[in-house]
Amino acid sequence: AQSVTQLGSHVSVSEGALVLLRCNYSSSVPPYLFWYVQYPNQGLQLLLKYTTGATLVKGINGFEAEFKKSETSFHLTKPSAHMSDAAEYFCAVSEAGGYQKVTFGIGTKLQVIP
Amino acid sequence: GAVVSQHPSWVICKSGTSVKIECRSLDFQATTMFWYRQFPKQSLMLMATSNEGSKATYEQGVEKDKFLINHASLTLSTLTVTSAHPEDSSFYICSARGPMGQGIPYEQYFGPGTRLTVT
Repeated sequence: AQSVTQLGSHVSVSEGALVLLRCNYSSSVPPYLFWYVQYPNQGLQLLLKYTTGATLVKGINGFEAEFKKSETSFHLTKPSAHMSDAAEYFCAVSEAGGYQKVTFGIGTKLQVIP
Repeated sequence: GAVVSQHPSWVICKSGTSVKIECRSLDFQATTMFWYRQFPKQSLMLMATSNEGSKATYEQGVEKDKFLINHASLTLSTLTVTSAHPEDSSFYICSARGPMGQGIPYEQYFGPGTRLTVT
């Protein structure tokens, strides 16, 4: 079974400050990990993904995430927050092979304060 | 590339009626499509997995007779909410897996969602 835990349903940062959104996963097999962003009344947009290889993954809009197997974590970071980053962020896990079912975390709403 | 569309984007229907939502992969063939439901301020919950040409696989607790899924072609899957009730009001999002043989096969491309309101 696979699961995702996102710590902090709401995160507030000042514009220009570091963004850190936490994600821990549970998977019985090597996971594929994803971060998605959702703007109000819109679908999900893929920010970045980890499958195999390099553990530091760079995505769109200046975001990056690091896969840490020992900590079962995949935290999302951005050095400097922009107002346009305000949105809902979802971490997701998929077990490689087989069904490819994707399990989403509950989401973290990011607020950027001017 | 890898664009998924949904139609309609927003629909209001009366209690007891049925409503159909379409999910299309515009520039790739999707052998598998997924249907999710999202309640306000909550995460996405997988409802069912739809494979082209075969019956959908429903998640536990999802009524297959209420949420009819058809995946008749490699670019189209439909979700029909039958005898809709106010508690079916939600944001429905589809995704399509692919493109097969390119990129990462486990990545899902998401549609923009359909907001259903049942009065």
